[in-house]
Amino acid sequence: GAGVSQTPSNKVTEKGKYVELRCDPISGHTALYWYRQSLGQGPEFLIYFQGTGAADDSGLPNDRFFAVRPEGSVSTLKIQRTERGDSAVYLCASSLGGGGLNTGELFFGEGSRLTVL
Amino acid sequence: AQRVTQPEKLLSVFKGAPVELKCNYSYSGSPELFWYVQYSRQRLQLLLRHISRESIKGFTADLNKGETSFHLKKPFAQEEDSAMYYCALTPRGGSEKLVFGKGTKLTVNP
Repeated sequence: GAGVSQTPSNKVTEKGKYVELRCDPISGHTALYWYRQSLGQGPEFLIYFQGTGAADDSGLPNDRFFAVRPEGSVSTLKIQRTERGDSAVYLCASSLGGGGLNTGELFFGEGSRLTVL
Repeated sequence: AQRVTQPEKLLSVFKGAPVELKCNYSYSGSPELFWYVQYSRQRLQLLLRHISRESIKGFTADLNKGETSFHLKKPFAQEEDSAMYYCALTPRGGSEKLVFGKGTKLTVNP
């Protein structure tokens, strides 16, 4: 596809359940980012992949959150034992850069809206 | 710690009026600054970046290191400029992790 693709676009789950959110970046983009955006807030950084490895996971709020990118392309954000406070739009972005190439241009997906009841 | 502050949650102007969206940042080093925009029902996208010194859609932004500001300006606002605007920074030469402000919703009235 031409842009970053995220699925599902909407997910409603119950407190305590496990959730997976998927991101398919732009082909050839080595860097992949996950952000979380709560109502009335700007995007909040969660984790950054350069290739297959998590180069910076300092934004993950706790050990219920985990993300993988096993083949350096598609990434999955996993949330265990969901809580109502996890409700937000989860944004994925990709970029060409990494290795010090600091263009700042991230290409965002449309987001996955997670609602925890 | 890196922080971006956008003091105005909402900003409303009339078409043809000048507009300025404020952004202040806090960072001990020398950051790269950006403005991202999200139009209604569209994805978040890059509007402009400090290092390019470019003007996009009539918008410009000047980095003022003394005031640690990166305000976004346009001399004559258009209705199609109505959107959410986010200021963001990333450490120069570091990872491309962007730190965003909370955003300003600009409404340009006819």
